[in-house]
Formats: sequence, structure tokens, C-alpha cells
Amino acid sequence: DGGITQSPKYLFRKEGQNVTLSCEQNLNHDAMYWYRQDPGQGLRLIYYSQIVNDFQKGDIAEGYSVSREKKESFPLTVTSAQKNPTAFYLCASRNRGLAGEMSSTDTQYFGPGTRLTVL
Amino acid sequence: QQQVKQSPQSLIVQKGGISIINCAYENTAFDYFPWYQQFPGKGPALLIAIRPDVSEKKEGRFTISFNKSAKQFSLHIMDSQPGDSATYFCAATYNTDKLIFGTGTRLQVFP
Repeated sequence: DGGITQSPKYLFRKEGQNVTLSCEQNLNHDAMYWYRQDPGQGLRLIYYSQIVNDFQKGDIAEGYSVSREKKESFPLTVTSAQKNPTAFYLCASRNRGLAGEMSSTDTQYFGPGTRLTVL
Repeated sequence: QQQVKQSPQSLIVQKGGISIINCAYENTAFDYFPWYQQFPGKGPALLIAIRPDVSEKKEGRFTISFNKSAKQFSLHIMDSQPGDSATYFCAATYNTDKLIFGTGTRLQVFP
């Protein structure tokens, strides 16, 4: 888990409500990621951000939104538009190399996750 | 093709045995192949990784075998222990921000 914290650990939401998941890192990493994990489907990328005030959609961005106002924080909002939000959500971060370029070998470090259940 | 196909979905091994998990890919641009280990309720953690210019990498009881021509790579866990019981994910990337994950293998090691 390293220097990445996610809160809360468990979250319950009623249908139709938006909810925000917190992700904070003190690793001074430039890039941050949000993944969704469902049984038998591995990890799927929701959004990622390479730098403050910039982010890109991943493979399953519909129904989610993010912001990156600070380097250490990358909150994820699960909106009411997300049809099946019950899942385990994982945040990760990754640093750039000395030259400022991303390298394949730059490791992604994951937080402990938030389990979201829609009631 | 961005997929990484992983098998088996689940694996039961006796203590002291060898656990083998296989992955296959299509995109020849992939140039880095990490394996992650995840315990229940926790985030994945990097276990071992390999680049395609080597055919094997060993770290303790964990070995990655890489077959570039077949576009396949596998994780071998020697002398499997109950503490190795976890879900294992293979992944692939190519100098981008995206890691492409396999679907995971749940390993159970019984004493």
C-alpha cells in the first residue's frame, strides 16, 4: 500500500446518489490512476492523470468523474449515471523517470482500495 | 489487440508444489510484463517483472518465463506455501500510461 491512502474502506450508497472516493498519495508521484475491479474481470482503467489539472478517460469512464487540483490528490466521483457501481475501486500512482518521460518500467503502486456497495 | 489473456482462473496446489500461471498477448509493441500479487481486501503489489529481451527472470521462489515468438509468458512459484495464497495478475504495457491487466488467477495452496 505504501504512501497511498484510500478512504473510506467500505462505502454504501443508495441508488441515485453521487459518491466521492478519496485517494491521496505522499510519494510525490506525477501520475495517478483509478481502476475498477470486479470478480473474474481483472482491473479496468476508469481515469488517469499524468499531471495536475489534466486527466484522461480510461476504458470505462462512463458514469464517473475525476479532478486533479493537487498533485497528491485524485478523487473519483461515482455518479448516478453509473449503471452498476458496486465494485472494488483501486487507486494507483506512478512516478516519471529522471528525464520526465514515462517509462514502461515505472511501477504503479496501488492503494488498499474502497469497496462500494449500492443498496 | 490490447488484451492479455490469463489462465487458469483458479488454481489449487499442495504445499511444496509448483504453481504455474500463464498469460498470452497479441500486441507486439508491449515491452514490459509485470506480475502483481493481491491478497483479499488489499491493493495489488508488484511481484516480479520482465522485459522481452530476456527469456527468464528469477527472484527467490518466483520465476517468469517469457516466450517472445509465442507471445506468451508465465509465472512459476516453486515450493508453493500457504502464504502464497492470493490472486495473481499478469499485465503488459509499452511506454504509455496504461497497464493492460489479465483477468487474474486465484491461487490456493493447501498444507
